[in-house]
Amino acid sequence: KAGVTQTPRYLIKTRGQQVTLSCSPISGHRSVSWYQQTPGQGLQFLFEYFSETQRNKGNFPGRFSGRQFSNSRSEMNVSTLELGDSALYLCASSLGTSGGFNEQFFGPGTRLTVL
Amino acid sequence: AQSVTQLGSHVSVSEGALVLLRCNYSSSVPPYLFWYVQYPNQGLQLLLKYTSAATLVKGINGFEAEFKKSETSFHLTKPSAHMSDAAEYFCAVRGIKAAGNKLTFGGGTRVLVKP
Repeated sequence: KAGVTQTPRYLIKTRGQQVTLSCSPISGHRSVSWYQQTPGQGLQFLFEYFSETQRNKGNFPGRFSGRQFSNSRSEMNVSTLELGDSALYLCASSLGTSGGFNEQFFGPGTRLTVL
Repeated sequence: AQSVTQLGSHVSVSEGALVLLRCNYSSSVPPYLFWYVQYPNQGLQLLLKYTSAATLVKGINGFEAEFKKSETSFHLTKPSAHMSDAAEYFCAVRGIKAAGNKLTFGGGTRVLVKP
């Protein structure tokens, strides 16, 4: 079974631009979560989508948004990029069923550099 | 709100020596607990998880962790370090009754293995 894929793997943007990152979950998984990883702040939860609906949201400004499509693929968008948005963005997928434990499987991440 | 503290951002061990990584959580109710490993330029891989079954949890690559409610700890150990264990390790929590899959991560511990 193919793992979680993220595209692109590397991205360079300039301040003020916007960016869209893509995540394809494992087949059959309906939940997709996004995390930002930086040296200073560590791993921080951005949001989670389940069946095309945002189920959880972290403490990030409105410039960060996401969506999920009917095939469970997810995109996240960052508008008006700032230098501090430079990070590794990780996507994780899981079955997402309510109750109990759902193991999350992480993709390799997209490395975003903002100049 | 739940939080996780990992003592020591860097740990250096000799090959063949014990690896001990410390994790303490803050939660009124024992949560689900996880240890993840991250190799350079890769995503996170689940090493092991505590989901309120056995308090001693065995994971992949010879790692194990013990849940101690009285100490609110979930320390990770490996009896004999291998060069391939050099990586960054993250402890994470998720509320048992929480909706969705939001994980809260500790700051991470980078392990260096000396020959």
